[in-house]
Parts: sequence; C-alpha cells; structure tokens
Amino acid sequence: QVQLVESGGGVVQPGRSLRLSCAASGFTFRSYVMHWVRQAPGKGLEWVAFIWYDGSDKYYADSVKGRFTISRDNSKNTLYLEMNSLRAEDTAVYYCARAILVAGRQAYIDYWGQGTLGTVSS
Amino acid sequence: DIVMTQSPLSLSVTPGEPASISCRSSQSLLQSNGDNYLDWYLQKPGQSPQLLIYMGSNRASGVPDRFSGSGSGTDFTLKISRVEAEDVGVYYCMQVLQTPPSFTFGPGTKVDIK
Repeated sequence: QVQLVESGGGVVQPGRSLRLSCAASGFTFRSYVMHWVRQAPGKGLEWVAFIWYDGSDKYYADSVKGRFTISRDNSKNTLYLEMNSLRAEDTAVYYCARAILVAGRQAYIDYWGQGTLGTVSS
Repeated sequence: DIVMTQSPLSLSVTPGEPASISCRSSQSLLQSNGDNYLDWYLQKPGQSPQLLIYMGSNRASGVPDRFSGSGSGTDFTLKISRVEAEDVGVYYCMQVLQTPPSFTFGPGTKVDIK
C-alpha cells in the first residue's frame, strides 16, 4: 500500500536550518509529482512547495521562496525539504503529499504522510 | 492571488441530518477543458487530511455516497446527506492553479456532532 513517512522534524532556533525527508513506498515514486503542505498548530493547511517528476520544475509559496528548497532522489524514493533562515512562523507540521494529474493538469492530492513537526523557537 | 472562503466556519449537526458547506473562490476555477479544479478534504481529529471529492464533483475511492460535491466557476458546495459520528473534523476546500502550479486551501469548516 502507498506510504509516505516524513522525518527530520525537531526544535531549531530562529535563523537556523532543518532538513525534512519523506520516504515513499508502495508505488512508483518517479511517476508522481510531489508536494509539501504545512499546518501551523491549531491552524489551517498551507501549500509550501511542488516538484515535478524528475525534479526539473519546482515552485514555492511566496512565504518560503528563497529560503526553502524542495528536491527528490528517485533512486532512493525520497522527497526532501531543506528549510533555511527559519522563522517562528515556520513552526508547523509538515506533510508530504502525492498529487495526481488529470489530462496533464494537476488535479488533487490522493495521499498524505502523517506529518513531522518542525518547531522554531529560541 | 486567489482567495478561498468557506461558510460556515463551524457547524454542529444532529446525526442523521444533512449538512452543507459552501466554498467560494475569488476567481473562476473553470478551466478551458471544462473541468473545475476544486477538491474537498476532511481532516479528522489527530489525522492527516483525506481526499473526499476531486475536481468539483468526483467522489474519491472509498468515500461513502452520502458525500457529494457540486458547483462550477467560483461557487462550490459539499453536501453530506446524513451526517454520521465519524464525519466530525475540519473540512477544507482546495483550488489547484496550473500556471504556476500551486494549491490554495480554504480556511476550513469545523463540523461536530450535537
């Protein structure tokens, strides 16, 4: 069955970095586009970043552009999120998510990981 | 930027009664191919979100038929024909932009049981 397992969360000081990983299994990872979505404590969902099948295209929310980098290693079936210059407002549960395309257009997320909590605090 | 709104933001429902959630987008989600890229998710307490409805009106695999989605353009509705106790949680609508690709979520509607 499809599994997405995030790791790498923890407590970090403002201005420091954190690297999240998402191990995928149960499907052909390289055949799917992937996203990171986050949820601040007690708040709603916020899209963070997207990466194309082979990593050739990447897009970011304005709130993280220039600070976060999404990447993937299809040989290891793993998605990454490198987070630099972290701020208190980046504190959130970070979910990796698999997206489905319909007629060549992104249509929906069909699987979510369980999430990993990143806390930015001094 | 596209802004998504939902109403109501909270809903208390008697089991067996219907429920309806509205989602409105600040610009049309109807694409040139005739599809609306608007999805509905339910996040049950302590869980990750799960897909309920995709592209406006398509029920996801395994989703009970008491859930239905409708609408087009800027106005969409999620309906639960008969609410059950397991339906509690926060319901989010999400729009999918194609160029550049991104998702925007509505603020969420919290549903609980009376």
